[in-house]
Amino acid sequence: DAGVIQSPRHEVTEMGQEVTLRCKLISGHNSLFWYRQTMMRGLELLIYFNNNVPIDDSGMPEDRFSAKMPNASFSTLKIQPSEPRDSAVYFCASSYTGGNSPLHFGNGTRLTVT
Amino acid sequence: AQSVTQLDSQVPVFEEAPVELRCNYSSSVSVYLFWYVQYPNQGLQLLLKYLSGSTLVKGINGFEAEFNKSQTSFHLRKPSVHISDTAEYFCAVNANAGNMLTFGGGTRLMVKP
Repeated sequence: DAGVIQSPRHEVTEMGQEVTLRCKLISGHNSLFWYRQTMMRGLELLIYFNNNVPIDDSGMPEDRFSAKMPNASFSTLKIQPSEPRDSAVYFCASSYTGGNSPLHFGNGTRLTVT
Repeated sequence: AQSVTQLDSQVPVFEEAPVELRCNYSSSVSVYLFWYVQYPNQGLQLLLKYLSGSTLVKGINGFEAEFNKSQTSFHLRKPSVHISDTAEYFCAVNANAGNMLTFGGGTRLMVKP
């Protein structure tokens, strides 16, 4: 398996623009996580899906952020409108359901909002 | 509620020296414990995990960790580090209540020649 695939790897955009980050899960995995990583706040869980259903979105910063799973193997994280403080590395991770199943991370999308 | 504390934000060490990265957790229920490694410009990779059984767990790249329930610790060790071990290491806990992992703040291991 190719692993969790994220695109794009890098995104530079201007404040106010819409940004869409994409993630393809490992085949067979049914849990999907979006994380954000910054120097100041470390690794933060934004939202968690199980079987395409959002289970916990308490980490989503505000209404400007939204995430979807249109099917079992794909997810998007959208920021509209983007702000400079959204600059971070965004990671997607997938796993099987169950606390003993480790997460498999993608290589991340580095977002810079100017 | 569960939490993870990695006491050392940075650990400098010379090549071929032993290293220990500390991790303490708090949870009111039984836990699953993980160590992940993050190399520059990459995502996190699983290093090792403790689910049950033997408290000494061996992982990839010569790392091992020991689960100590009485001290609620899961310290990571390697007897002899290499320059290529320079990376950030994250401890994580799942309190057996679903898929939610709680990560520590990370420890940056810097191996010097």
